[in-house]
Amino acid sequence: KAGVTQTPRYLIKTRGQQVTLSCSPISGHRSVSWYQQTPGQGLQFLFEYFSETQRNKGNFPGRFSGRQFSNSRSEMNVSTLELGDSALYLCASSFTSNTEAFFGQGTRLTVV
Amino acid sequence: GENVEQHPSTLSVQEGDSAVIKCTYSDSASNYFPWYKQELGKGPQLIIDIRSNVGEKKDQRIAVTLNKTAKHFSLHITETQPEDSAVYFCAASIGLEAGNMLTFGGGTRLMVKP
Repeated sequence: KAGVTQTPRYLIKTRGQQVTLSCSPISGHRSVSWYQQTPGQGLQFLFEYFSETQRNKGNFPGRFSGRQFSNSRSEMNVSTLELGDSALYLCASSFTSNTEAFFGQGTRLTVV
Repeated sequence: GENVEQHPSTLSVQEGDSAVIKCTYSDSASNYFPWYKQELGKGPQLIIDIRSNVGEKKDQRIAVTLNKTAKHFSLHITETQPEDSAVYFCAASIGLEAGNMLTFGGGTRLMVKP
């Protein structure tokens, strides 16, 4: 069974630009969660999508958004990039609520 | 909201020794506690988890204990090997109401010296 796939693995963007990251969950999983990982703040929850609906949202500005498609694939978008958005963005896939979450390898975003 | 504290931040052990990492959580409604191992350049890997209706769970050299009264849980690794070297994260979830939202501890860098 294939794991969680995140694309791209690496991205370099300029301040003010926007970026879209993609996540394909494990086959059959309906929940996709996104996390930001930085050396200073650690792993922080961004949002979760389940059956195309955002179920929970972390404490991040509105520049961070996401969506989920009918095949459970998810995208997250960051608009008006800031230097502080440089981080590893991780996607986690779960079968349903409150079940084991399996992470992808992440997308390393660098904002210059 | 939930707050998870993890100690120590770094841990160095000799190969074959045991390693213990401890976490405390603040929200008594939390009922699911996974542990993740993250190697350099990779995403976190789920290694073991425990739910609040269980006090201890073992999987080969790894065990997790949970004390709901004190609101803390621990990861125990016995007979450590160099390949156990990684960063370990504990996490807590409030359960169905919170969907799959995990609150993570700050991480423990484990170094196993051959």
